[in-house]
Amino acid sequence: DGGITQSPKYLFRKEGQNVTLSCEQNLNHDAMYWYRQDPGQGLRLIYYSQIVNDFQKGDIAEGYSVSREKKESFPLTVTSAQKNPTAFYLCASSIPRDREVTDTQYFGPGTRLTVL
Amino acid sequence: AQSVSQHNHHVILSEAASLELGCNYSYGGTVNLFWYVQYPGQHLQLLLKYFSGDPLVKGIKGFEAEFIKSKFSFNLRKPSVQWSDTAEYFCAVNAYGNNRLAFGKGNQVVVIP
Repeated sequence: DGGITQSPKYLFRKEGQNVTLSCEQNLNHDAMYWYRQDPGQGLRLIYYSQIVNDFQKGDIAEGYSVSREKKESFPLTVTSAQKNPTAFYLCASSIPRDREVTDTQYFGPGTRLTVL
Repeated sequence: AQSVSQHNHHVILSEAASLELGCNYSYGGTVNLFWYVQYPGQHLQLLLKYFSGDPLVKGIKGFEAEFIKSKFSFNLRKPSVQWSDTAEYFCAVNAYGNNRLAFGKGNQVVVIP
């Protein structure tokens, strides 16, 4: 059963702690993305990676970090520097049509992070 | 940077009514356009997309969208909605030259039976 898995579905952390969100895909996609979804704000891009061992900052990268050591995995760390970390986090993957154009992105179920 | 505008964030309508959601973007070059839908409790999924060719695109569940280049628009339509169309709808734009998407803020659509 192919797809994208994100775990856990709900995550609670104390303020000041770093937390890592998992994203795994078995679609053999090269590109992976992390978005943050807040009510009335749409999806905002945090980081993306077009290929293993390479990633770029999105529009709201401050306070976040990522790694891409394996094609199927793209974990996101929410650090204590992120001022407002409570949000719904979505991971996506796609086959880039080429270096300049993206094709359909497939999304995981999301992780809802609450920082207390 | 490209930006995407969706108006009327909350839309409430009755079953069998027609639905049109507007999407405008601010990029003058070649674009690829997408509509995604998020049903309650489900993954965000693709509704339809436009890359080239016929500007009238048909998607799943009876939805269609029309790309009007001169108006920088990609409006979504459905002639007769059902209760099961209750969802949040997002327009997204990929400007040629980068392989990332810019999303609008979404339209929360509620269909009353």
